[in-house]
Amino acid sequence: KAGVTQTPRYLIKTRGQQVTLSCSPISGHRSVSWYQQTPGQGLQFLFEYFSETQRNKGNFPGRFSGRQFSNSRSEMNVSTLELGDSALYLCASSLTGQGASYEQYFGPGTRLTVT
Amino acid sequence: TQLLEQSPQFLSIQEGENLTVYCNSSSVFSSLQWYRQEPGEGPVLLVTVVTGGEVKKLKRLTFQFGDARKDSSLHITAAQPGDTGLYLCAGENRDDKIIFGKGTRLHILP
Repeated sequence: KAGVTQTPRYLIKTRGQQVTLSCSPISGHRSVSWYQQTPGQGLQFLFEYFSETQRNKGNFPGRFSGRQFSNSRSEMNVSTLELGDSALYLCASSLTGQGASYEQYFGPGTRLTVT
Repeated sequence: TQLLEQSPQFLSIQEGENLTVYCNSSSVFSSLQWYRQEPGEGPVLLVTVVTGGEVKKLKRLTFQFGDARKDSSLHITAAQPGDTGLYLCAGENRDDKIIFGKGTRLHILP
């Protein structure tokens, strides 16, 4: 069974630009969550999608958005990039995203550098 | 704001030694997970604990969930260089959100 894949793996952008990151979950998984990981803040939850609907959202500004397609693949978009957006962006998939045995499987991440 | 505090932040020990890392909160979680992350990769799920007082073993790793479901520990016996990595705990709260601790960076010296 293929794992979670994320593209691209590395990205360099300049301030003010926008970026789109892509995530393909494990086959059969319907929940996709996005996280931002930085050395100072650790892993912070961005949002979760289930069946093409955003089900949960973290405390990030509106510049961060996402969507999920009917095949469960997901994209996240960051507009008007700031230097502080430099981070490892991780996508995680799970079967349902809820319940006492909620288990997530992470992709390798996209390393975004904003200059 | 719910927080998961992990301690210690950094730990460097010799191969063969035992160690314990901790994950603590003032909040109750319906489940708690432990992950290991290596540089340049995403976290890999090690275990999920659900019941208060639950103990799970994975080879040389022993995970315990506190009776009140507010804390957890990970004990490694006879650490090996392959155990090196960032260990993260994550709890699922009542709002079905996953909260991550900042991790314990473990380095095992050969």
